[in-house]
Amino acid sequence: DIQMTQSPSSLSAFVGDRVTITCRASQGISNNLAWFQQKPGKAPKSLIYAASSLQSGVPSKFSGSGSGTDFTLTISSLQPEDFATYYCQQYNNYPYTFGQGTKLEIK
Amino acid sequence: QVQLVQSGAEVKKPGASVKVSCKASGYTFTGYYMHWVRQAPGQGLEWMGWINPNSGGTNYAQKFQGRVTMTRDTSISTAYMELSRLRSDDTAVYHCARLSSSSGWSWGQGTLVTVSS
Repeated sequence: DIQMTQSPSSLSAFVGDRVTITCRASQGISNNLAWFQQKPGKAPKSLIYAASSLQSGVPSKFSGSGSGTDFTLTISSLQPEDFATYYCQQYNNYPYTFGQGTKLEIK
Repeated sequence: QVQLVQSGAEVKKPGASVKVSCKASGYTFTGYYMHWVRQAPGQGLEWMGWINPNSGGTNYAQKFQGRVTMTRDTSISTAYMELSRLRSDDTAVYHCARLSSSSGWSWGQGTLVTVSS
C-alpha cells in the first residue's frame, strides 16, 4: 500500500496568516492527489483534486501543488472558519490511502 | 448539482450485518464508480472499495474482503454497502463518495454505525 505522510500533524496559526501543509507519498502517484477539509462531526469537504485543481465553489485562497511524491496545500489569509483538520489522499493505486491528517488550530 | 444522500444511523450487535444506502442525484448514476470510505471515532479516513454502477463490478480493499458487499439498484440510482460479522471496531461513520476526473470528489453526509452489545 502507498503510505501518505502529512506534516506537520498539528499547526497553530493566527487569523490572517498563510500556512502550508505537506503530503509525501511513499511512491510516485503522478498528480492523483486530493485534499479535504474536515470539521468535527461533519463529512469531509473536498478542496483540491488532481493535485492542483480547485473544487467548484472552493475559494481561491486554497491552492495545491506538486507531482510524483511531494505535494503541498497552501491556505492564505486564514479566517476562523479555516481552522479544521486537513487530509490528503492518493487515488493513483488501490487501495486508495489517506494521510493521517493535519489539525490546524487558532493561535 | 451532485447529491449523495445516505440512510440513517444504525445500532447493531456484534456478529450482525449492516446495510447502508446512498441515493445519488444530479448526474448519471451509471457513469461514475461509487466509493465507500469509513472513519472510526477520532481516527482518520479509510477507503473500503468501489462499485461500478454500470456493470456491478466491485473492487474491495483487502482488509474488508469477505466481509463487505457493495451492490446497486440502477432503477433508483442507489448504491449499497453491506458489512457483515460486525465487531466493535467497525463502529464508524461510513461515507459514500463519487470521484470525477473533471470535478473531483463528492461526498455523502455519512452514516454512523454503532456496534455494541
